[in-house]
Amino acid sequence: KNEVEQSPQNLTAQEGEFITINCSYSVGISALHWLQQHPGGGIVSLFMLSSGKKKHGRLIATINIQEKHSSLHITASHPRDSAVYICAVQVGGGADGLTFGKGTHLIIQP
Amino acid sequence: DGGITQSPKYLFRKEGQNVTLSCEQNLNHDAMYWYRQDPGQGLRLIYYSQIVNDFQKGDIAEGYSVSREKKESFPLTVTSAQKNPTAFYLCASRRNEKLFFGSGTQLSVL
Repeated sequence: KNEVEQSPQNLTAQEGEFITINCSYSVGISALHWLQQHPGGGIVSLFMLSSGKKKHGRLIATINIQEKHSSLHITASHPRDSAVYICAVQVGGGADGLTFGKGTHLIIQP
Repeated sequence: DGGITQSPKYLFRKEGQNVTLSCEQNLNHDAMYWYRQDPGQGLRLIYYSQIVNDFQKGDIAEGYSVSREKKESFPLTVTSAQKNPTAFYLCASRRNEKLFFGSGTQLSVL
């Protein structure tokens, strides 16, 4: 079974700082998801990527398949970015093939 | 707006009682999932369904049951056999590798 490690577990930063959250996994995957969980508990899908890089607004996600590593970057961070960011990896095409990381708790202070 | 609706937001269970968590979607998605989230842990798969009238056990199905009589609905019953039911429960659907989540139900034991 795939092991998914996220770092850091907790991160507190000042508004405007550049944020990086890392995700490493142990076996080959078909896709990787970045998710955002707000304090109320609901989860929103940010990105799904299988190679390269994707950008949406101030969020950038990259993946290095050879190194089994992905990063989520937030530029010009804002207090509304405060949330738990979760990495999940997909092995093969099976409907049940998702393994989730424990999440990174991000707090952006004004 | 299309989405996934979970109810109730908070639920309390007495000893020996079965409780049912509701999950409804109007996204017309075939695949639906139930996950359990415990503090400091990644999401774990309880059950999933890829089509009406069919469902499969996930990694932690013991003490839980589901039904999928309609495409839109995937209720989860936490039975009295689940000895540690206190957790946050998330329902999700998936289409073309993109994940959609409900807002979750927090279940606690009285």
